[in-house]
Amino acid sequence: DAGVIQSPRHEVTEMGQEVTLRCKPISGHDYLFWYRQTMMRGLELLIYFNNNVPIDDSGMPEDRFSAKMPNASFSTLKIQPSEPRDSAVYFCASRLASTDTQYFGPGTRLTVL
Amino acid sequence: EDQVTQSPEALRLQEGESSSLNCSYTVSGLRGLFWYRQDPGKGPEFLFTLYSAGEEKEKERLKATLTKKESFLHITAPKPEDSATYLCAVQATGGFKTIFGAGTRLFVKA
Repeated sequence: DAGVIQSPRHEVTEMGQEVTLRCKPISGHDYLFWYRQTMMRGLELLIYFNNNVPIDDSGMPEDRFSAKMPNASFSTLKIQPSEPRDSAVYFCASRLASTDTQYFGPGTRLTVL
Repeated sequence: EDQVTQSPEALRLQEGESSSLNCSYTVSGLRGLFWYRQDPGKGPEFLFTLYSAGEEKEKERLKATLTKKESFLHITAPKPEDSATYLCAVQATGGFKTIFGAGTRLFVKA
């Protein structure tokens, strides 16, 4: 298995632009998680899905952030409009309901100028 | 509020010098405590899950232990390739929301 796939790996954009991050979970996994990692705040859970349904989005910082999971093999995290304080590494992770092991993707490093 | 505190922030060891990393936690009801390893530029990699006080798990030079208030990651005779950031995380009962600590950066010098 290729593991969790994220794209792009790096994204540089200007303040005010829309940013879309993409994730393909491991095939067969029931849960998908979006995290954000910064030096100041560490690794924070933004939102997670179970069988494509959002379960807990309490970590989404503002209405500028939105996430969707249209099917079991694809999810997006969108920021509109982006701000410099959104600069961070965004990770996607997936897991099976029957285990506790989360498998993380390589992350997307976002820089908002 | 659920919280995870890791110490020290950074640890420098000589190859073969054993030590321990600490993870203190407060959670309404513990579903599980997790240890991950993160290398620079990569996503966290799962190491262990512990569920109840007194539980221990081992993998190569690493051993994780759990009490009601904290967990330790013991590193025996570390090698330079053990250099990484080690993250501790907890999940409370009733959901799968995972709270991560800030991590301990481990440097092992040959």
